[in-house]
Amino acid sequence: QQQVKQSPQSLIVQKGGISIINCAYENTAFDYFPWYQQFPGKGPALLIAIRPDVSEKKEGRFTISFNKSAKQFSLHIMDSQPGDSATYFCAANYRGGSARQLTFGSGTQLTVLP
Amino acid sequence: DVKVTQSSRYLVKRTGEKVFLECVQDMDHENMFWYRQDPGLGLRLIYFSYDVKMKEKGDIPEGYSVSREKKERFSLILESASTNQTSMYLCASTWTGRTAEQFFGPGTRLTVL
Repeated sequence: QQQVKQSPQSLIVQKGGISIINCAYENTAFDYFPWYQQFPGKGPALLIAIRPDVSEKKEGRFTISFNKSAKQFSLHIMDSQPGDSATYFCAANYRGGSARQLTFGSGTQLTVLP
Repeated sequence: DVKVTQSSRYLVKRTGEKVFLECVQDMDHENMFWYRQDPGLGLRLIYFSYDVKMKEKGDIPEGYSVSREKKERFSLILESASTNQTSMYLCASTWTGRTAEQFFGPGTRLTVL
């Protein structure tokens, strides 16, 4: 079974600090790595994504770092704000059966204190 | 603005009942997905459909079935609900070739008593 391992399960950060969430995978067939953000009472929404041939991607305060040799990738949230408080899921895209699928990590509940 | 709607936000059913969860998207997406979300387990794929009347099992299809008679509608069916199916159910959709960018509904929290 395809797996993506995510840590930590929960994270508390002070306003202005850096939030870091880590993910690791085993299957080299994964070929695209999105991150999703979920606010309470809402469905997840795509936040940022990276291809394995790129080591870093930055969008505003959000950065993905990708280490292909270590099969690890991480989300960094710079200058974390209380509005960033949400659950974050890493994911990996692969072809399963006749169509492509996403496999998700277990999620990280981020709380940013004011 | 993409919209994925789910028929109920909260649902309470009894063990053994047949349960229908419906999902409708308005963006002409070819692909639709059903996930269940449980604390500490993330999102797990139950079934997906890449075309009308086409379906494929995900990682945890046991105890579930699906139906897609129209492009915009994807239904999840629990033939005989059990307490271990108490969960949050999320529907998602996207275009062919854009699997990494899925649009999710708000979810249905199902409680089976």
